[in-house]
Amino acid sequence: DSGVTQTPKHLITATGQRVTLRCSPRSGDLSVYWYQQSLDQGLQFLIQYYNGEERAKGNILERFSAQQFPDLHSELNLSSLELGDSALYFCASSVGRTGELFFGEGSRLTVL
Amino acid sequence: DQQVKQNSPSLSVQEGRISILNCDYTNSMFDYFLWYKKYPAEGPTFLISISSIKDKNEDGRFTVFLNKSAKHLSLHIVPSQPGDSAVYFCAEKTSYDKVIFGPGTSLSVIP
Repeated sequence: DSGVTQTPKHLITATGQRVTLRCSPRSGDLSVYWYQQSLDQGLQFLIQYYNGEERAKGNILERFSAQQFPDLHSELNLSSLELGDSALYFCASSVGRTGELFFGEGSRLTVL
Repeated sequence: DQQVKQNSPSLSVQEGRISILNCDYTNSMFDYFLWYKKYPAEGPTFLISISSIKDKNEDGRFTVFLNKSAKHLSLHIVPSQPGDSAVYFCAEKTSYDKVIFGPGTSLSVIP
């Protein structure tokens, strides 16, 4: 158990809909990272937050947004969903700046 | 654009032999390179890292080598065990705190 909690574990929705994925980092970790893993693809970096502030941004679509709240949990909002958004979404947290990340088990999104 | 490449999608090795996983990168402005291991239906787990000022780091059966002139690093697993069968990701931690992952190499250790 990494200490990072992601909900929901599975989500099935339709095209055009909006969903919110939630992540609770390990106790004490200030950084939260979001990644997307599509079928047979690697982990695509989406966005990173540090203590409530956006720190780094990857190839995140404009239809996607995220935030980190004062209690350090984070949410990833995906809107106007398309079939290609079906993927495993991972959240990870870290305490330092060495790149050592602790990953949750992921949220599997299926868009029909 | 930052790129981390793992050109071998898969690798099979006999139990007890050495596994060598390779990674190439384009961005010279990094702080650390890291290796992560991933089993199906689980999130990746950190394995070992190397800072930009070193050329080797060792932790038990795992050793990572960094060749900055060639922009290449490798992970050696000796001896390989069946439990090492997983997908291995090379990742780059940049000065701006991005952590960029390669596409992964699936390692199968055959008993």
